[in-house]
Amino acid sequence: AQSVTQPDIHITVSEGASLELRCNYSYGATPYLFWYVQSPGQGLQLLLKYFSGDTLVQGIKGFEAEFKRSQSSFNLRKPSVHWSDAAEYFCAVGARGGGNKLTFGTGTQLKVEL
Amino acid sequence: GAVVSQHPSRVICKSGTSVKIECRSLDFQATTMFWYRQFPKQSLMLMATSNEGSKATYEQGVEKDKFLINHASLTLSTLTVTSAHPEDSSFYICSARTDRYYNEQFFGPGTRLTVL
Repeated sequence: AQSVTQPDIHITVSEGASLELRCNYSYGATPYLFWYVQSPGQGLQLLLKYFSGDTLVQGIKGFEAEFKRSQSSFNLRKPSVHWSDAAEYFCAVGARGGGNKLTFGTGTQLKVEL
Repeated sequence: GAVVSQHPSRVICKSGTSVKIECRSLDFQATTMFWYRQFPKQSLMLMATSNEGSKATYEQGVEKDKFLINHASLTLSTLTVTSAHPEDSSFYICSARTDRYYNEQFFGPGTRLTVL
């Protein structure tokens, strides 16, 4: 079974600073990988995804993530954070086949200081 | 495209009553829909997977008699919480998948259920 670990429960950064949110996964093969963002009381918005090919993936809102097979990681980055980026971020892994169920990490709460 | 709606967005009910939550794919046909539950400040936990026209598949530990799922059409799935109790209070989120984008799930905005 697949699993996802987001080691950082909370992260605080200053507006304009760079951001990296960590995600490690466990899966027997190359997984499908996703990053979602959730604002309070809202559903999930897809930031970016990795299925195959180029390991550096560009997403919306200036986010990018890099798939590193050797480290089983899919860290999310943004060069300059905006106050509106404050939200909960979830990394998820999808199994290839078997119904493509998603397994979510526990999330990282991002706070942006002005 | 790929918009999923949920209704209601928020519901408050008395203990012992049943509550129905609708999940609709607005601009695509959803061959599969998923129901998740999210407790405050926690992650999403998959409750069940439903394919149009067939019975839902529930995850281990989810009571199928308490959480009734119906996926009667390619655009509508419903989750009925039967005889709700305060411990059923949670944020319920659905997602939908289409054959065209088989590897992705499109999420609804969620429904906040509060059982008094």
